Amino acid sequence: DIQMTQSPSSLSASVGDRVTITCRASQDVSNLLAWFQQKPGKAPKSLIFDASRLQSGVPSTFSGSGSGTEFTLSISSLRPEDFATYYCHHYNGFPLTFGGGTKVEI
Amino acid sequence: EVQLVESGGGLVQPGRSLRLSCAASGFTLSDHYIHWVRQAPGKGPEWVGRTRNKADGYTTEYAASVKGRFTISSDESRNSLYLQMNSLKTEDTAVYYCVRVAFGTRHFDYWGQGTRVTVSS
Repeated sequence: DIQMTQSPSSLSASVGDRVTITCRASQDVSNLLAWFQQKPGKAPKSLIFDASRLQSGVPSTFSGSGSGTEFTLSISSLRPEDFATYYCHHYNGFPLTFGGGTKVEI
Repeated sequence: EVQLVESGGGLVQPGRSLRLSCAASGFTLSDHYIHWVRQAPGKGPEWVGRTRNKADGYTTEYAASVKGRFTISSDESRNSLYLQMNSLKTEDTAVYYCVRVAFGTRHFDYWGQGTRVTVSS
């Protein structure tokens, strides 16, 4: 199985900050990498697919990059509603596997 | 509006069975591939299984940890999907989500809010 390693596991930031989260795959997943946001008690929200494409309705403050084994999610200017946990996952074959998450806190 | 609503979770003893439902609204479930993903308390998500859409024969794939115990099925008349879970183990305790794949692609677009399953004696 492909292992997905996210870093950092948590970070503290302020409104307006730029934040970058890294996701590394143990094998080449091409660009079949997605990011989603999770808040307590809420349905997870898909943000980015194919490593760098924004889901409809996702603000342009979010961006993704990378291919192969190294990927990043960036938030250019944190808004209050962006404080959440972020996960990456690959979909380049079965089983799909997920990163351990990055909690973005104030 | 696209919505996925899971239900059927609860407390169940090890070895027993439970059936989760995923009801769709705002779209036709049988047009899409659907995955089940679970998240144990304090852990990252874990992929459970996937069903293809009706056009591709509703064929399924499962994680090794649930293969032979869990089964995904569809009910077009109810625009719903089910996850039949048999021989439950304590390690199956998690919140279970159904997740839609964007039509004609491989990536997720919409998640349900989840239903909690607790396996305990």
